[in-house]
Amino acid sequence: GAVVSQHPSRVICKSGTSVKIECRSLDFQATTMFWYRQFPKQSLMLMATSNEGSKATYEQGVEKDKFLINHASLTLSTLTVTSAHPEDSSFYICSARIPRGGSGGENIQYFGAGTRLSVL
Amino acid sequence: AQSVTQLGSHVSVSEGALVLLRCNYSSSVPPYLFWYVQYPNQGLQLLLKYTSAATLVKGINGFEAEFKKSETSFHLTKPSAHMSDAAEYFCAVTNNFNKFYFGSGTKLNVKP
Repeated sequence: GAVVSQHPSRVICKSGTSVKIECRSLDFQATTMFWYRQFPKQSLMLMATSNEGSKATYEQGVEKDKFLINHASLTLSTLTVTSAHPEDSSFYICSARIPRGGSGGENIQYFGAGTRLSVL
Repeated sequence: AQSVTQLGSHVSVSEGALVLLRCNYSSSVPPYLFWYVQYPNQGLQLLLKYTSAATLVKGINGFEAEFKKSETSFHLTKPSAHMSDAAEYFCAVTNNFNKFYFGSGTKLNVKP
């Protein structure tokens, strides 16, 4: 199946600093990537949809100035948590979808391994 | 609006026993349903999906799920559990392959 790489897998930072998380599609081009957040013992919640070459679409209640998303190429989307605070500590997961006309596996979201963010 | 409910945050079975993980969904339009598995420190891996074809869907590793519209359910089963099946399982629903709604997950423990 398609491979999505997410980096870093774990990050610990001080309150007030910014953290960047990368999501790469390794063997396919992804015009659309998705960013999720997972709190302990809760389900994954979609934060935003990242579209290559255009602005991300944020879900209701997600601060776009807090969670900056850049999808500068067909294989890379980044999520930057700006001025992180302890309440931003969570598990962040990205996914990518093979576009229509791709070599199979369309309409399936392929997930990265996630990033555990801990803000002290 | 769509939502998914997974009954039982933890399920424990003996090796060789039947695995049954429950998923009920809510959707105002015909849904597409998915089961994903997450091993520790890994991403979500697709087990199987229902996209309006056969209601009984077979996936990887011997898992299967049956879409029952009358019960709004998509329960995941496996006839005989293996130790390697121990993981967390997520049910998800979508109607447009963009926004996925996930259940809260069920951790499967397999006892020797």
